[in-house]
Amino acid sequence: KQEVTQIPAALSVPEGENLVLNCSFTDSAIYNLQWFRQDPGKGLTSLLLIQSSQREQTSGRLNASLDKSSGRSTLYIAASQPGDSATYLCAVYMEYGNKLVFGAGTILRVKS
Amino acid sequence: NAGVTQTPKFQVLKTGQSMTLQCAQDMNHEYMSWYRQDPGMGLRLIHYSVGAGITDQGEVPNGYNVSRSTTEDFPLRLLSAAPSQTSVYFCASSYSRGTMNEQFFGPGTRLTVL
Repeated sequence: KQEVTQIPAALSVPEGENLVLNCSFTDSAIYNLQWFRQDPGKGLTSLLLIQSSQREQTSGRLNASLDKSSGRSTLYIAASQPGDSATYLCAVYMEYGNKLVFGAGTILRVKS
Repeated sequence: NAGVTQTPKFQVLKTGQSMTLQCAQDMNHEYMSWYRQDPGMGLRLIHYSVGAGITDQGEVPNGYNVSRSTTEDFPLRLLSAAPSQTSVYFCASSYSRGTMNEQFFGPGTRLTVL
């Protein structure tokens, strides 16, 4: 059974810092890995999608990497801003079962 | 495009009542799915559909029914609501299976069962 773990569970940083969120998964039979952002009381916003054959994807200040063989992904946020405060979720799309398996998320707070 | 839309945004039910959560997408996506989000449990798959007329069970299907008569709509029915079904429900859709299937989520329905 696929298990997705996100570390740390919560993170508080001052504005301007670069930070790394970690995601690990136990089963490498995945089509892709997706990072989402969720604001309190809101839905999920897709940030980055990395295909299983890719090593990284970039969007603005965000960079996500994927090491499928070791079951790890990182989300790098450069020059953090208070508006980045949210819960960040990673999810892997399984090759079987037609489903996303989610981690529990990292709650990020960027202090001004 | 409106993307993925869900109605209602909030709902309070009494134990034993039934209701339907609506989900629609205007992106011509083949794949649609329902997840529930609970504190400490993360998001879990309830049911999914790979196209009109085709549905299948996910991780936590008990107490829920789905149907997919059109590409656009994928309603979730609670047959007899129970307090354990208090949760936030998200509908998602994607274009295709495989490596390019970026998932798009609706804003959620917050359900309380008393």
